Amino acid sequence: GQQLNQSPQSMFIQEGEDVSMNCTSSSIFNTWLWYKQDPGEGPVLLIALYKAGELTSNGRLTAQFGITRKDSFLNISASIPSDVGIYFCAGRTYNNNDMRFGAGTRLTVKP
Amino acid sequence: DTGVSQNPRHKITKRGQNVTFRCDPISEHNRLYWYRQTLGQGPEFLTYFQNEAQLEKSRLLSDRFSAERPKGSFSTLEIQRTEQGDSAMYLCASSRQPGGSYEQYFGPGTRLTVT
Repeated sequence: GQQLNQSPQSMFIQEGEDVSMNCTSSSIFNTWLWYKQDPGEGPVLLIALYKAGELTSNGRLTAQFGITRKDSFLNISASIPSDVGIYFCAGRTYNNNDMRFGAGTRLTVKP
Repeated sequence: DTGVSQNPRHKITKRGQNVTFRCDPISEHNRLYWYRQTLGQGPEFLTYFQNEAQLEKSRLLSDRFSAERPKGSFSTLEIQRTEQGDSAMYLCASSRQPGGSYEQYFGPGTRLTVT
């Protein structure tokens, strides 16, 4: 099962608003990844984080690797209709080579 | 570089039949991963290969499931005696290690429906 708690489960926002979602774990992670998935497609990598406290941007997206190494945040600024989709966090612990995924945050943007 | 490709995109089969899926990773990537995703959930790890060696298998990978990567390039995932609970999206991802990152790039998935 899932080892990551991702919240919120879903969000309904107005176009132009900022969005924030997060992921927490009971384990310390060495890597955090954020993905976006459209219906019927595979997840697309948005941002990768490797160091505690790291803040990385990709266009309107900004993600942070929490200082405790047990959480991560994704922010989307000035949302647009094409931001609609499901956002997943994924993390890797030090002694694992596979990634564990959260259950996703479903984002709906109203024009 | 055309990304990760998977075939078929959709498969409908009757319970008890065997099915096989194929994944072609990004050409320079030595690691290949298989995941299963059910509705409303994130991908769940099944197994991964480094080159042709299968290095880790999840407990989700029952003995009806087998994966191969004979030449360290493409991989196949076979499910024998399919059950309705096997209905899911099967995702393949690839990455480059060591020396690279742990960033995994996914294919479009194969959606399996067992009737």
